[in-house]
Amino acid sequence: NAGVTQTPKFQVLKTGQSMTLQCAQDMNHNSMYWYRQDPGMGLRLIYYSASEGTTDKGEVPNGYNVSRLNKREFSLRLESAAPSQTSVYFCASSEVDRGVAGYTFGSGTRLTVV
Amino acid sequence: DAKTTQPPSMDCAEGRAANLPCNHSTISGNEYVYWYRQIHSQGPQYIIHGLKNNETNEMASLIITEDRKSSTLILPHATLRDTAVYYCIVRGYSSASKIIFGSGTRLSIRP
Repeated sequence: NAGVTQTPKFQVLKTGQSMTLQCAQDMNHNSMYWYRQDPGMGLRLIYYSASEGTTDKGEVPNGYNVSRLNKREFSLRLESAAPSQTSVYFCASSEVDRGVAGYTFGSGTRLTVV
Repeated sequence: DAKTTQPPSMDCAEGRAANLPCNHSTISGNEYVYWYRQIHSQGPQYIIHGLKNNETNEMASLIITEDRKSSTLILPHATLRDTAVYYCIVRGYSSASKIIFGSGTRLSIRP
């Protein structure tokens, strides 16, 4: 029972490089989310996908793109990484229909941009 | 989504009840109160949620005032493993309603 799986767990990028953070959930949830957490701060929503085929901007979408590949997978892409994007990135999923309205979070991707 | 106000930090003796307050004076009628916690640098963990009635599960109890403008999360017998940042969040119940995190309360449990 894996829940939400994020890859990679750690990554170091040079300024200007691109990369894609992967997220997959095995709970058949409709909604998925990407958050970032800077040191000593709370989580901030980057993008979310309420259902397969839809995506919407959150609080801090600039510099990111997302793809809801299918119901299970929601990826986050940094096209040209900047030091300000150094952060811990969390993916989450949620489902309401079965009465479970809470989010399940992955263990995070720790990204450093140098 | 309504905003919430929490004290930045609290401490509690091990074995005692930890009572974490949250103000959400602008909550609307269809918004729920959720509590999450984040232990060290792990992903946040769902604890409990409620609309207007008090709720209890295996982890905690949630007390919501009658006017719904504030709530209290109660950890009945705090242990060292309960040391974490606790987030109080209000949001609608639909799956499209996103969670916006505030700064939370850093709870420290004293041995």
